[in-house]
Amino acid sequence: DGGITQSPKYLFRKEGQNVTLSCEQNLNHDAMYWYRQDPGQGLRLIYYSQIVNDFQKGDIAEGYSVSREKKESFPLTVTSAQKNPTAFYLCASSPRPGTGYTGELFFGEGSRLTVL
Amino acid sequence: AQSVTQLDSQVPVFEEAPVELRCNYSSSVSVYLFWYVQYPNQGLQLLLKYLSGSTLVKGINGFEAEFNKSQTSFHLRKPSVHISDTAEYFCAVGPSGGSYIPTFGRGTSLIVHP
Repeated sequence: DGGITQSPKYLFRKEGQNVTLSCEQNLNHDAMYWYRQDPGQGLRLIYYSQIVNDFQKGDIAEGYSVSREKKESFPLTVTSAQKNPTAFYLCASSPRPGTGYTGELFFGEGSRLTVL
Repeated sequence: AQSVTQLDSQVPVFEEAPVELRCNYSSSVSVYLFWYVQYPNQGLQLLLKYLSGSTLVKGINGFEAEFNKSQTSFHLRKPSVHISDTAEYFCAVGPSGGSYIPTFGRGTSLIVHP
């Protein structure tokens, strides 16, 4: 079945450590996204990528980094510069904007990061 | 710029009662509208979408929504809820202008009591 796989599901880290969250998709989608979710704040966009080797900052990119070396993969690194990293992180994908693209996103199951 | 307002942050309801989750949007161009559901500690999954045509849209799990262009609303309804409908519900509007990023509302927590 096609879908988006995020790993790990749960992650605990000590303050000051960088962590990388994995996101892999086999939907043949060109665009991929990372969102952060905190209680009562909805979804906030961190980074997004429309094609391989290109990505743009979203609304809350500070303290995060991404790479897009393959179409299927869009890992997110939460760096030690992120002041409040404890959150639920969601990866999503979509067809490339253009003919037929409506804005519908396909989401992974999420990764919950807790920084101790 | 687009915006989505979900008018209720939390909606408590008893099992088998009807429910309506409200969503208003603003957009200067033709819109695509979506409702997603998120169960605890899971990702979002699509409930239903309006792209064009009939203003009454049916989705999964017995949910439906009505697109009202004059009131710029896209309210979600279910005639009889179950305990298993307890979840967070997000309304979203498709992109417009130069951006291809959809806009999400802040979510409504539906709590179904026995």
